[in-house]
Amino acid sequence: GQNIDQPTEMTATEGAIVQINCTYQTSGFNGLFWYQQHAGEAPTFLSYNVLDGLEEKGRFSSFLSRSKGYSYLLLKELQMKDSASYLCAVRDILTGGGNKLTFGTGTQLKVEL
Amino acid sequence: GAVVSQHPSWVICKSGTSVKIECRSLDFQATTMFWYRQFPKQSLMLMATSNEGSKATYEQGVEKDKFLINHASLTLSTLTVTSAHPEDSSFYICSASLAGGAHEQYFGPGTRLTVT
Repeated sequence: GQNIDQPTEMTATEGAIVQINCTYQTSGFNGLFWYQQHAGEAPTFLSYNVLDGLEEKGRFSSFLSRSKGYSYLLLKELQMKDSASYLCAVRDILTGGGNKLTFGTGTQLKVEL
Repeated sequence: GAVVSQHPSWVICKSGTSVKIECRSLDFQATTMFWYRQFPKQSLMLMATSNEGSKATYEQGVEKDKFLINHASLTLSTLTVTSAHPEDSSFYICSASLAGGAHEQYFGPGTRLTVT
C-alpha cells in the first residue's frame, strides 16, 4: 500500500509564500500530482512531477525528490482565493493499471489579510 | 479541453431507493474512469476503477453489489447506489483519463448525495 502524509492545515498571509510538504511511501512510484480543491467542488489539477526537480507554473511550483519520497508545493504571492485544500496524490505503476491515484488527506490552507 | 461532467450535481433520495449518477467525458475518449467518495473534511477515497467494456475493479471494502458501475462507452460511466442508506450520503466524484494517456485525471464537478 501507500502512505501519504501532509500537514492537516496551514495559515499564511496574503502576498506571502507558503510551502506545503508531502511525504510518501510507495513501491512502484509513477508520478506525483498536486490538486487544489475548494469546499464543495471537485479537485482541479495544479502540477505533476515524475522526475526529480522543480516544476514551475506561474505562482505555483512543485518539487520532487524520489529518493527521499518527498514533494512540496510552493505558492507565491498568496491571494485570498488560494484558501483551499491542497491534495497530494501519488500514482503507483503496480496498481490500477498504472493509473490509480492515492490521495493524501489534504492540507487546508487559510490565507489571511 | 478535457472536460468531465457529472449529472446530477446534487440529489436527495429516500432510504431504500436507488440513485444513478452519470459521468461523461465531453471532448475526449476515456478508456478509464474512476469513482471516488469524499466525506466532509476528508480526502478522496477511490471506490472503483472503471474500464470501458469490462467489469469495474472495486477497492477493498467497497460493495460491488451496492455500488453498480457500468462503463458502456468511451465517454460515459454510471454509478448506481442501490438501496441507499443515510450513511451513503457523501460527495461522489468521477474522473477520467485520456485513452492511453499516463498523465493527470480530469475530475467531474461532483454529485452531492443526501439520503433521508
